[in-house]
Amino acid sequence: ETGVTQSPTHLIKTRGQQVTLRCSSQSGHNTVSWYQQALGQGPQFIFQYYREEENGRGNFPPRFSGLQFPNYSSELNVNALELDDSALYLCASTIDRSEKLFFGSGTQLSVL
Amino acid sequence: GQQVMQIPQYQHVQEGEDFTTYCNSSTTLSNIQWYKQRPGGHPVFLIQLVKSGEVKKQKRLTFQFGEAKKNSSLHITATQTTDVGTYFCAADPTSGSARQLTFGSGTQLTVLP
Repeated sequence: ETGVTQSPTHLIKTRGQQVTLRCSSQSGHNTVSWYQQALGQGPQFIFQYYREEENGRGNFPPRFSGLQFPNYSSELNVNALELDDSALYLCASTIDRSEKLFFGSGTQLSVL
Repeated sequence: GQQVMQIPQYQHVQEGEDFTTYCNSSTTLSNIQWYKQRPGGHPVFLIQLVKSGEVKKQKRLTFQFGEAKKNSSLHITATQTTDVGTYFCAADPTSGSARQLTFGSGTQLTVLP
């Protein structure tokens, strides 16, 4: 058990809608990263937050945004959903950016 | 941008046979991590390699980091059905800063009883 929880586990949205995914990290884990995993692919880095500031971003458009809160929770927001956004979204927390990642079970997002 | 190639994409083995997956990066890496993802599950950290030529063992699993720090391998001796899953390497090109891991596409291991 990683101590990282994500909600919801599954979500169905339609194209153009907005979605918010949530993650609760282990206490003391001040770094959270979000990854997108398409079916049959490896996880792709979206962005990382360290002490509530964005600390790095992958090749994703601005409609992907995030927040990290002082209580070790975080959010991933996606605006103007597209069909290609259908994927498993994984949250991963760690201590001080440079340690191994503890992944949550993910949110399976389907965009119709 | 950085690319991480992982082969093979799929591997079917008979229980008791050995298994190896290879990971190659287009750039020199600071370190490399390996993760295992069971069907329907999430990636679980296995190990991190940092030094050039490093070899680490975990029971039946042997991990190697190449001398040039651009490739790595995972070898499983005498596979068991519990080894089923997809094995990913995750490359970190930088030292410190954000842990922007680039994952390979994974090797999906099936172990036939």
